Amino acid sequence: DQQVKQNSPSLSVQEGRISILNCDYTNSMFDYFLWYKKYPAEGPTFLISISSIKDKNEDGRFTVFLNKSAKHLSLHIVPSQPGDSAVYFCAASVGSDYKLSFGAGTTVTVRA
Amino acid sequence: DAGITQSPRHKVTETGTPVTLRCHQTENHRYMYWYRQDPGHGLRLIHYSYGVKDTDKGEVSDGYSVSRSKTEDFLLTLESATSSQTSVYFCATQGDGMGYTFGSGTRLTVV
Repeated sequence: DQQVKQNSPSLSVQEGRISILNCDYTNSMFDYFLWYKKYPAEGPTFLISISSIKDKNEDGRFTVFLNKSAKHLSLHIVPSQPGDSAVYFCAASVGSDYKLSFGAGTTVTVRA
Repeated sequence: DAGITQSPRHKVTETGTPVTLRCHQTENHRYMYWYRQDPGHGLRLIHYSYGVKDTDKGEVSDGYSVSRSKTEDFLLTLESATSSQTSVYFCATQGDGMGYTFGSGTRLTVV
């Protein structure tokens, strides 16, 4: 049973607009959340993370929001650029247990 | 820099044959992981290691075994390959802190 869910397999957005990617989780023990970005024929690369003690973390054009009561997090990319076209994976872990549980991924396509 | 190297990058094998994938790291990271990526499933953990000769099963470990005789090498073996094991396999390492570093992947096709 998948504990991290990304229900939107794909997202298409115009260059310069905002991309919003969503992620839901079922395990209330998760307390660390990460987003990874993956280009074709490459391994995933770390993008941004957030601890459960925060509800927002920002890094340049990327912001992650965490709503613990709803067990929901989202990644905002503003403004979207062509180089952002990739697969984005949401991941979560429980404290010192370093194993990450990943969602199925969302493919983002940024249109010129 | 080539912190994590996976070999081979591509492999086609026949059903029923054993296959070993290799992950080599130069980061001296304690934690190493094997994941498989499949459409609709994302990345699923196969096996992981907390140190030399210290390994454990992940969520999709059936049909796979691992070995870690040195810090830098983590081997994934498919005992008898099946078509359901056709996938892209990623190795990852983790040092202090939470971020994983992934290798470039091995695309395995079982025919």
